[in-house]
Amino acid sequence: QVQLVQSGAEVKQPGASVKVSCKASGYTFSNFGFIWVRQAPGQGLEWMGWISAYNGYSSYAQKFQGRVTMTTDTSTTTGYMELRSLTSDDTAIYFCARSEAYQLLATDVWGQGTTVTVSS
Amino acid sequence: DIRVTQSPSTLSAFVGDRVTITCRASQSVTTWLAWYQQKPGKAPKLLIYKASNLESGVPSRFSGSGSGTEFTLTISSLQPDDFATYYCQQYHSYWSFGQGTKVEIK
Repeated sequence: QVQLVQSGAEVKQPGASVKVSCKASGYTFSNFGFIWVRQAPGQGLEWMGWISAYNGYSSYAQKFQGRVTMTTDTSTTTGYMELRSLTSDDTAIYFCARSEAYQLLATDVWGQGTTVTVSS
Repeated sequence: DIRVTQSPSTLSAFVGDRVTITCRASQSVTTWLAWYQQKPGKAPKLLIYKASNLESGVPSRFSGSGSGTEFTLTISSLQPDDFATYYCQQYHSYWSFGQGTKVEIK
């Protein structure tokens, strides 16, 4: 079955970087892409950006430009989201979701979420 | 960026009630709007896409309507499993979410 499985919880110090992975299975990897969304404690959903696994095209929310990099690895059918220069405001659950290869539509395929805690 | 605003932010209702949540976009998104349900600690679940299309497997008591800048999600008869937080999302230009509506038991 179609599935996205994310990496485990992370605890980082302020100023560090975190890289979250999202392992895809059950579908043709290069026909889709990855969307990344985060949710701070008690807050709503925030779109961070997306990347096509077909051609590597990526687009990031303005808020995160310069601080986030999204990549894919076809050999392992995995997507990655790296966020740098972490502050306590980056403490959140990070979700990956499957996107179409060429456009952003609504999606019913989500990872289980990865909790990232930023604390000294 | 397209801003999306939901109302109300919290809603208290009884089992069996008809419930309506409203979503407004800062500019037209035509019908590129979805509704998601989220329970604590879980990923969002797609309920409605393209404003009024019911996702496969979602109970028919959920329905969506609207176009342009004004949209609604209706639950015709609230069930115990429906107590959750609901988000609208536009995907006309990238993604953006409303702030959420928490549906609580009255």
